[in-house]
Amino acid sequence: RKEVEQDPGPFNVPEGATVAFNCTYSNSASQSFFWYRQDCRKEPKLLMSVYSSGNEDGRFTAQLNRASQYISLLIRDSKLSDSATYLCVVRLDTGGFKTIFGAGTRLFVKA
Amino acid sequence: GAVVSQHPSWVICKSGTSVKIECRSLDFQATTMFWYRQFPKQSLMLMATSNEGSKATYEQGVEKDKFLINHASLTLSTLTVTSAHPEDSSFYICSARASGLASYNEQFFGPGTRLTVL
Repeated sequence: RKEVEQDPGPFNVPEGATVAFNCTYSNSASQSFFWYRQDCRKEPKLLMSVYSSGNEDGRFTAQLNRASQYISLLIRDSKLSDSATYLCVVRLDTGGFKTIFGAGTRLFVKA
Repeated sequence: GAVVSQHPSWVICKSGTSVKIECRSLDFQATTMFWYRQFPKQSLMLMATSNEGSKATYEQGVEKDKFLINHASLTLSTLTVTSAHPEDSSFYICSARASGLASYNEQFFGPGTRLTVL
């Protein structure tokens, strides 16, 4: 079983749609959680950290459920520029600083 | 935010040659640098973690004699792919963990190096 699992998609949505991505992680020692965005042939860029209380940044809302080891990302009012791969990332901070990436969910937003 | 550069951004080489990739933290000191590899449509896979002045720690399945890592200073780490073969063709990304900054727990990524071995 992969340490971080995501639906690979692709998700094809029209502009203005709301889309949700889910992610599960297997290591209960995971302490930090993030969503990254990766454009084609580019490095990943931090989109937002994820907290148990849930957090929002503009059109993006992230949620963490530690009991279920589940992370989500909601994108509202999708823009063409949101087209990218979204990576679910967990970090283990015990015994070292180790970051584990999911394989990503591909999003295509069309006009 | 902190900036990490990589050089070269892309390289094409013949099978059997060695390729060196540089990773630099431009405006901060990096106590730890990480090297990742990403194959098409796959996730970033950690290859090794290096701390300045000490030997790198390699992940299981990564050959330390093939992927030589040197972290000689707090702003520079290099990855040398020795005797490269076509199966080493991949996107290599470094990242750095800052020291002495409020963002100590952040990882800053370089733009990646695309290696193609013919």
